[in-house]
Amino acid sequence: EPEVTQTPSHQVTQMGQEVILRCVPISNHLYFYWYRQILGQKVEFLVSFYNNEISEKSEIFDDQFSVERPDGSNFTLKIRSTKLEDSAMYFCAIRTTSYEQYFGPGTRLTVT
Amino acid sequence: GENVEQHPSTLSVQEGDSAVIKCTYSDSASNYFPWYKQELGKGPQLIIDIRSNVGEKKDQRIAVTLNKTAKHFSLHITETQPEDSAVYFCAARLGNEKLTFGTGTRLTIIP
Repeated sequence: EPEVTQTPSHQVTQMGQEVILRCVPISNHLYFYWYRQILGQKVEFLVSFYNNEISEKSEIFDDQFSVERPDGSNFTLKIRSTKLEDSAMYFCAIRTTSYEQYFGPGTRLTVT
Repeated sequence: GENVEQHPSTLSVQEGDSAVIKCTYSDSASNYFPWYKQELGKGPQLIIDIRSNVGEKKDQRIAVTLNKTAKHFSLHITETQPEDSAVYFCAARLGNEKLTFGTGTRLTIIP
């Protein structure tokens, strides 16, 4: 099973601040995803990223969100101006060549 | 877009008994159906999946069945053990990209 790490494990930020969540796949992958899970709710798709471009995004992924792969290994999710409702677990996932998606342990984002 | 419904939301079974979780999906073009197990404070863990060209798949105590005509799929766990206690999510994929998740089932195994 491919391994995915995420940092930080927990991020507390004030409303209006910018946050960057990081994902580091251990091995080489081409497809990356961000999902979020509000406490007690289902996992929701945010964005998919392939070949250094966004390939699909949900209506949640508005102009406050951006993704990039700055150095060929890290995959980041930036929230430019956090809102209270951005508080959630954020999961990075990678897709294998057989289309399976494997999730990282998540970052708990708390916006106060 | 795709919509996935999952039942039941909670399920308690005696250790050693079987557990069944059911999901329905809305788009007949969906082609891939994974199941994830999520333990407290952790990310979803892929436990089994099935593709639309297969009706059933089994891996030790876990099996998944797919009925394309009815657009539903089920997870079966036999001989349940305490470590099976977790939240289970079904999902469906339309195309090659995003997964649409169900609302989850909290499974509790009673020793």
